[in-house]
Amino acid sequence: SQQGEEDPQALSIQEGENATMNCSYKTSINNLQWYRQNSGRGLVHLILIRSNEREKHSGRLRVTLDTSKKSSSLLITASRAADTASYFCATAIYNQGGKLIFGQGTELSVKP
Amino acid sequence: DTAVSQTPKYLVTQMGNDKSIKCEQNLGHDTMYWYKQDSKKFLKIMFSYNNKELIINETVPNRFSPKSPDKAHLNLHINSLELGDSAVYFCASSHGPAGSGEYFGPGTRLTVT
Repeated sequence: SQQGEEDPQALSIQEGENATMNCSYKTSINNLQWYRQNSGRGLVHLILIRSNEREKHSGRLRVTLDTSKKSSSLLITASRAADTASYFCATAIYNQGGKLIFGQGTELSVKP
Repeated sequence: DTAVSQTPKYLVTQMGNDKSIKCEQNLGHDTMYWYKQDSKKFLKIMFSYNNKELIINETVPNRFSPKSPDKAHLNLHINSLELGDSAVYFCASSHGPAGSGEYFGPGTRLTVT
């Protein structure tokens, strides 16, 4: 069954604005990851946050994790047109044979 | 240098045919995967292999048979293709167990007519 649900499903912003995407999941996890997928391409790993971490930064990306609410958010600051892509959260559950379960993704469009 | 490569990039075939997709990673990773992405962009794991051994078979029809000749290669063979098999298939690899930061290939878009 699908683990993650992402919100919003689609987001359209202007260059320079911040973009926030949210992800909720159902079961306990070992870590949560965010991936980017440009149109017609493979997925690119952006950031991993472990279940005992609350916040992580990488360049213009900020990820938070709230295990009590089973939710995570990805913030992209000062967005650029090149950030236009689909963004997926994925949860890792080691005791199920080591699975990575993806949410349905958020389609981000950054207009120049 | 390409980290995870797949061939072919596009595959168009008729129902009932048998086809294979090849995957190679040059990262020295121990674990490799096949994922299927449907038309709504939903990604689901199909198989995972660790050092040539099957770890996960996620209730995939037995028409799908993965083969790992060595830990750098994981190929996917599909028998008796059906319309519902049309999707994008992604190969991936990771150094550690699933969820340690997967590297994905560019995908193979399979269209069954």
